[in-house]
Amino acid sequence: NAGVTQTPKFQVLKTGQSMTLQCAQDMNHEYMSWYRQDPGMGLRLIHYSVGAGITDQGEVPNGYNVSRSTTEDFPLRLLSAAPSQTSVYFCASSYRSGAYNEQFFGPGTRLTVL
Amino acid sequence: GNSVTQMEGPVTLSEEAFLTINCTYTATGYPSLFWYVQYPGEGLQLLLKATKADDKGSNKGFEATYRKETTSFHLEKGSVQVSDSAVYFCALSDANGGSYIPTFGRGTSLIVHP
Repeated sequence: NAGVTQTPKFQVLKTGQSMTLQCAQDMNHEYMSWYRQDPGMGLRLIHYSVGAGITDQGEVPNGYNVSRSTTEDFPLRLLSAAPSQTSVYFCASSYRSGAYNEQFFGPGTRLTVL
Repeated sequence: GNSVTQMEGPVTLSEEAFLTINCTYTATGYPSLFWYVQYPGEGLQLLLKATKADDKGSNKGFEATYRKETTSFHLEKGSVQVSDSAVYFCALSDANGGSYIPTFGRGTSLIVHP
């Protein structure tokens, strides 16, 4: 199993550009999430999904869109990039099993917005 | 709502020293508790977990005991190595509003010197 994969690993954007961060998992997990990690702020939840066709907002959803058309994929779209979105983005997935839902994380995408 | 509070870092130790990283939590139900580790340039990975009160999770020489009476899950290791240098995240998972999306602490950086 490849686990959770993310592409690209690095990206530089100009303010106002749009892009999609890709995330895929091959473990048949119901739950998928996107986090951003900033110095001193820990992990902040952007959006999450509890199954195909179902998404919800996390702590910091503004400026980001998601969709979940399949169990495997959960792309994150930046509609109009801003310097405040410079961060490291992590995708994670888990089973919907309550007490046992260990999160599996991807390797991250390092995004810089100029 | 749920919350996790970790001691602020960085924690700087010499090799073979004893490690404690404090973690306390607030939850509405009966959460499962986790410690994740993030090595430089990588995503988070599960270090250990405990699913009910008085359970002890252990892995790679690290231990943490689920203390319901003090709402704590402190991470300990008897003798740290340089290779343990990483960021450590405490997290909880609870049926908060019907979803098991975890809540993470802000992370504690550990630096181990030879």
